Amino acid sequence: EPEVTQTPSHQVTQMGQEVILRCVPISNHLYFYWYRQILGQKVEFLVSFYNNEISEKSEIFDDQFSVERPDGSNFTLKIRSTKLEDSAMYFCASNRDRGLNEQFFGPGTRLTVL
Amino acid sequence: GNSVTQMEGPVTLSEEAFLTINCTYTATGYPSLFWYVQYPGEGLQLLLKATKADDKGSNKGFEATYRKETTSFHLEKGSVQVSDSAVYFCALEGHEEDMRFGAGTRLTVKP
Repeated sequence: EPEVTQTPSHQVTQMGQEVILRCVPISNHLYFYWYRQILGQKVEFLVSFYNNEISEKSEIFDDQFSVERPDGSNFTLKIRSTKLEDSAMYFCASNRDRGLNEQFFGPGTRLTVL
Repeated sequence: GNSVTQMEGPVTLSEEAFLTINCTYTATGYPSLFWYVQYPGEGLQLLLKATKADDKGSNKGFEATYRKETTSFHLEKGSVQVSDSAVYFCALEGHEEDMRFGAGTRLTVKP
């Protein structure tokens, strides 16, 4: 069964450093998403991406964040200058038809900012 | 905008007990409703979904019915097992807005 994959599973970085979190969505999916879950808290929407551009983003997704689909398979989230409060689990998700089909989630990348 | 309100946890039950986790929503139009489950150390997995009023989603003994009149999508299971221990998230997705999650309810089932 196809699945969404994410790398790395755990990333540790120093405050102020740039990180890139990588995702490979399911191959025939057209909509891609990033979510964040701070430890013990709710899952928060960050951004959605369709047709090579951002379709919606939340207040959390400020200028420090960017997303890219550099090739036909990868979907990346870049945090330009990490802050302590960026420490969280980051989930990538994809689906084929927004609003009609469920989103399939990756296993997440745990980001720890020291 | 759309939002989901979910029963606060944690919930602790004995094995074979009946489970209800309440979820209500606020949305314009007719959103799709979901329950996701997060087992310890893992990502989110879809448990069940319903895409229109009166639909019942079911999976692994869990059920939830899309109730438009009460704007609810309560999760139920008649007899829980230790392996059901996890965090459960109610979520909705509208056609014009992206997915919104509830705060999550941690369920612990004791033998």
